Amino acid sequence: DQQVKQNSPSLSVQEGRISILNCDYTNSMFDYFLWYKKYPAEGPTFLISISSIKDKNEDGRFTVFLNKSAKHLSLHIVPSQPGDSAVYFCAASASLSTGPRAQKLVFGQGTRLTINP
Amino acid sequence: DSGVTQTPKHLITATGQRVTLRCSPRSGDLSVYWYQQSLDQGLQFLIQYYNGEERAKGNILERFSAQQFPDLHSELNLSSLELGDSALYFCASSQTSVTEQFFGPGTRLTVL
Repeated sequence: DQQVKQNSPSLSVQEGRISILNCDYTNSMFDYFLWYKKYPAEGPTFLISISSIKDKNEDGRFTVFLNKSAKHLSLHIVPSQPGDSAVYFCAASASLSTGPRAQKLVFGQGTRLTINP
Repeated sequence: DSGVTQTPKHLITATGQRVTLRCSPRSGDLSVYWYQQSLDQGLQFLIQYYNGEERAKGNILERFSAQQFPDLHSELNLSSLELGDSALYFCASSQTSVTEQFFGPGTRLTVL
């Protein structure tokens, strides 16, 4: 059961343009959403997050939008730079009833972003 | 550098063997999480420890176990290894009051 889906395995964008990465989820209990960036042979790097009570969060060139009614979130990168080429993972956080501070992240399959000069 | 360290970086072993992966969380982080990333798969949550106690379990096989020690480092033990256990294993840590998890560089396990 894929609770978090990134339907685009890859995306290619011209340098300087906007990159838009999309993510859909099915579980209404998710209360926090995160985007991670991953280079080969490295661990995921946290980029930006958004609480389910907000619809937008901005940090420099990165903006995350959340549409709860559609169960959809997106990451906008503008302007896109060559160093942004990486695999981007969307993740959703679920607080669990197994104890205080019990939490897990559910990840999408990732989207490979390539920024072309 | 996230501040989370994992050893070893690479591990090659044979089927049926047992291995231990080690993780040191960021300074001050009480929660440690383990994830598995198989070929062409997203990251799958395995288990969470908070201040030495198990707090959450995901799709962790019975052959796998973990613990968190008083100094907060954690170990993931994988036994009776099978070819399908070959994967990247990531450790992450987080502070008490925030949701963001910070990941280590991972251990690549190859079972031959």
